[in-house]
Amino acid sequence: SAVISQKPSRDICQRGTSLTIQCQVDSQVTMMFWYRQQPGQSLTLIATANQGSEATYESGFVIDKFPISRPNLTFSTLTVSNMSPEDSSIYLCSVINRAGTDTQYFGPGTRLTVL
Amino acid sequence: ELKVEQNPLFLSMQEGKNYTIYCNYSTTSDRLYWYRQDPGKSLESLFVLLSNGAVKQEGRLMASLDTKARLSTLHITAAVHDLSATYFCAAYAGSYQLTFGKGTKLSVIP
Repeated sequence: SAVISQKPSRDICQRGTSLTIQCQVDSQVTMMFWYRQQPGQSLTLIATANQGSEATYESGFVIDKFPISRPNLTFSTLTVSNMSPEDSSIYLCSVINRAGTDTQYFGPGTRLTVL
Repeated sequence: ELKVEQNPLFLSMQEGKNYTIYCNYSTTSDRLYWYRQDPGKSLESLFVLLSNGAVKQEGRLMASLDTKARLSTLHITAAVHDLSATYFCAAYAGSYQLTFGKGTKLSVIP
């Protein structure tokens, strides 16, 4: 499986500001995704990060609020814009390495608290 | 739209006992995944079930898939404290996307 790192691991931010989360993989991967996990809840897919093109967003998530970049096959960023306390969550990136089972492997997550 | 339901959501069990977690999904899906999440940690892949009747076992955990019933089970045998965690099932929704259940928080008590 791929080794995935995320930065920052946690942050406390003020309302109205933006935070960019980085996801770095130690090898080239086919697919990268961003999920949100609100406290005590399950995971919700935000978007699929597409290399060299605009991300594909799920219902309820928009590019203006969650701009995503994926400049190459090992790196992606998610920005949480104009934050409010409702954005307090864990944000996880995941990857698929097309190993046959298409298992998604998850990064360690970024714990975001918005005051 | 694919929906995934897990039950129970909370499970407190004694060491040495057996129990089963159920995962139902609403529409056809040909793959089912089980993950484990420890408090404050990310998700760890446990099992990938790729076909009807698939059964996989690792230690005290055994997962199975019945695609006709749209049901997967995670069976715990002779539970030990180290198995305390939250377990998620996720059904394949197409386009490499997964739909997750709400998770089952398992506490194994002495």
